[in-house]
Formats: sequence, structure tokens, C-alpha cells
Amino acid sequence: EIVLTQSPGTLSLSPGERATLSCRASQSVSSSYLAWYQQKPGQAPRLLIYGASSRATGIPDRFSGSGSGTDFTLTISRLEPEDFAVYYCQQYGSSPPGFTFGGGTKVEIK
Amino acid sequence: EVQLVESGGGLVKPGGSLRLSCAASGFTFSSYSMNWVRQAPGKGLEWVSSISSSSSYIYYADSVKGRFTISRDNAKNSLYLQMNSLRAEDTAVYYCARVAKPSWFVFANWFDPWGQGTLVTVSS
Repeated sequence: EIVLTQSPGTLSLSPGERATLSCRASQSVSSSYLAWYQQKPGQAPRLLIYGASSRATGIPDRFSGSGSGTDFTLTISRLEPEDFAVYYCQQYGSSPPGFTFGGGTKVEIK
Repeated sequence: EVQLVESGGGLVKPGGSLRLSCAASGFTFSSYSMNWVRQAPGKGLEWVSSISSSSSYIYYADSVKGRFTISRDNAKNSLYLQMNSLRAEDTAVYYCARVAKPSWFVFANWFDPWGQGTLVTVSS
């Protein structure tokens, strides 16, 4: 089973600043089968990135994903007020159990 | 518009049972694998179970194996989760989620979209 570790647990930043979120896998994630989701309080997760670097439909280009193998990064180039939320990475594509999530990174207003 | 709407959550005593439903609309339900994901209060996301488009392949997280049963009715565009022998640690919001693309391999794709979730509380 692939274990995903996200860091930091909490990121305190101001609007306009750059956010860099990390997701590290316990073993290589095949074909960059990694997704990122955003979740706001009381809401369902929303897809941001799939395939490690492809933006989902309607996602602003200030969100970008990168990485391969065991190290992946979600970058928010300039934080907008609506970006303060919890972010989760997810791996897919492996043998059962084929879906695992990281523990999440909370991006909070400094 | 693609939509997933969960129902069936509520308060149940330890050892009790509950059946969750997820009504799908806006897409060809029978072509997509479907999933349940849960989130305990204040915690992260946990994958619970997946079912292939024709119900041929079914998978469970170890934490629910033997207690939960996933099923679907393609004629009714509905997904279900039968939860038995419920424990306090099963308390969570349960989300129904579709894989993004049809595929023979249940784990081939990310989740998109998600339903709004239904809260299950297990307490005496």
C-alpha cells in the first residue's frame, strides 16, 4: 500500500504570497497517477490537479502541480482569499487498495 | 449537469446498521466505477470502497471489510453502501464520488465529481 505524507500540516501565509505544498509517497507512484483536491469547511472536496500536473476544468492557472516518482508539489502562485482551505493529495492507479489520500495541508491566513 | 446526491445518514447505535444511497444524474451511470470516501470529524479523507461499472469488481478498505457492502443499481442510477456492525470510529461524513473517466480498471482515475456528503453518527 502506498502511503502519502503531506507537509507541512499547516501553512500560514498572506494573500498574494506563494504557497508550496508537498506530497511524498512511500513508493513510486506509477505514471504520475497523483491528484490534488481542495476542500473548504462544510464542502465536498474539489478536484484541482490530476496526472500530477494537469489542471482540472475551470481551475485558475495560479494552481500548478509538478513532480514524479515519490515527490509531488502543488503550487499556488499568488494566494487569493478564496484559496485558504485544506488541500489533499491522492494516488490512484495502483493495485488494491488503489486509492490513498494524504493527511492534508491546511493553508490559513497569516 | 453531473450530480451526485447522497442520503441515508443519521444517528445509529453501536452495532447497528445503516444503508446509504447516492443518486446520480447528468451522465451515463452504468459506464463509470463509483466510490465511497469518508471523513471523520476534523480528520482527513479515507477511501472506503469501490465498485466497477458492472459490479464485477468490488474493493474495500481493511477498516470496513466484512462489515460494509457496496452495490449499485444501474437501472436506477444509484449507488449504495450497506453498513453493518457499526462502530464509533465509523462516525464520518460519507461522500459518493465518481471516477473521472470510464475504464475497465477501477483504480485508473481520480475522483470527479463528488457528492455533498451525508453524516453518519454512531453513538449510544
